[in-house]
Amino acid sequence: KQEVTQIPAALSVPEGENLVLNCSFTDSAIYNLQWFRQDPGKGLTSLLLIQSSQREQTSGRLNASLDKSSGRSTLYIAASQPGDSATYLCAVSLSGGGADGLTFGKGTHLIIQP
Amino acid sequence: DGGITQSPKYLFRKEGQNVTLSCEQNLNHDAMYWYRQDPGQGLRLIYYSQIVNDFQKGDIAEGYSVSREKKESFPLTVTSAQKNPTAFYLCASSHTANYEQYFGPGTRLTVT
Repeated sequence: KQEVTQIPAALSVPEGENLVLNCSFTDSAIYNLQWFRQDPGKGLTSLLLIQSSQREQTSGRLNASLDKSSGRSTLYIAASQPGDSATYLCAVSLSGGGADGLTFGKGTHLIIQP
Repeated sequence: DGGITQSPKYLFRKEGQNVTLSCEQNLNHDAMYWYRQDPGQGLRLIYYSQIVNDFQKGDIAEGYSVSREKKESFPLTVTSAQKNPTAFYLCASSHTANYEQYFGPGTRLTVT
């Protein structure tokens, strides 16, 4: 059974720092990997989607990498801002087809200090 | 605006009652999903549907039921058989082109 682990569980850094969030998964036979952001009491906002054939994706100050063979992904946030404070969730597709839902990690709770 | 709507935002029920959570999307997505989120835990898949009139159980389907009579709608019923129904419920949908999932705002269900 696929398991997803996110490290660290919580992180607090001063504004302006670059930071890396880590995600690992046990079964490398994934279809895609998605990074989400969740604000307290809200739904999830999709940040980046990486297909299994891709190595990385970028959106603004965010860069996500994927090393499928080692079962790892990282989310890099450049020049962090207080508005980046949220919980970041990593999720992988359950099957080779991608249609069967996602397996989630427990998230990294990020606080950016002004 | 395209998106996913869930209603109500908060729902309170007495133990032993069935309750139905609504999920509607106007993104023209074929696939829809229901997840449950508990404090300190990752989201867990309850049910999913890839096409109308078809759906499959996820990891924690016991005590739940769904229907998919229309492409836009995927309601979830929490039955009295669900032993611990209090949770935050999230609905999602995805296009079959790349299966990127988009989420609704969630429904917080409290059963006492």
